[in-house]
Amino acid sequence: DAKTTQPNSMESNEEEPVHLPCNHSTISGTDYIHWYRQLPSQGPEYVIHGLTSNVNNRMASLAIAEDRKSSTLILHRATLRDAAVYYCILSPNTDKLIFGTGTRLQVFP
Amino acid sequence: DADVTQTPRNRITKTGKRIMLECSQTKGHDRMYWYRQDPGLGLRLIYYSFDVKDINKGEISDGYSVSRQAQAKFSLSLESAIPNQTALYFCATSDLLSRKAFFGQGTRLTVV
Repeated sequence: DAKTTQPNSMESNEEEPVHLPCNHSTISGTDYIHWYRQLPSQGPEYVIHGLTSNVNNRMASLAIAEDRKSSTLILHRATLRDAAVYYCILSPNTDKLIFGTGTRLQVFP
Repeated sequence: DADVTQTPRNRITKTGKRIMLECSQTKGHDRMYWYRQDPGLGLRLIYYSFDVKDINKGEISDGYSVSRQAQAKFSLSLESAIPNQTALYFCATSDLLSRKAFFGQGTRLTVV
């Protein structure tokens, strides 16, 4: 299974954009890049996923490098509610999602 | 109502006891999963099921068993609980077409 590398923690101020990086140099051609987040005391929550092209939804944007060896989750305006652990996961689908330790995002007022 | 419901939400049990954690979903998904999370770590897959007749072991299935009673119900059992099974347990469902997984709120299990 291809591995991902994320920073352990990041900080942001409220209403500022946040760019959460993920490196995945051994990604295979069939792997999608999935992002989930886990708020305190809750189960993981789907954020976004993509294969090759950049993706946008109401929660975030996903920027994928042309060689697919890295990606960036973009929160356009961080809110206090965005404080969570963010997981970057590679998988062809949702089967056997492998969660690493993720990036803990702190958001300050 | 939550799409994926886990019961109980919290449970304390004694070493050697049998315990069952239950999961039900209203998403209509065929795929269901059980994960375990230890403090400060990511989730690890215990078992998964692609339909009622299909059960598969995940990366840490030893000491656990599962039952898929219906499309909507997937139970996890600890036949003889031990303290190192103390953890947060999550049930999830997924939709193959949308490539999205949906998680329950978790069951906090403590084995003393």
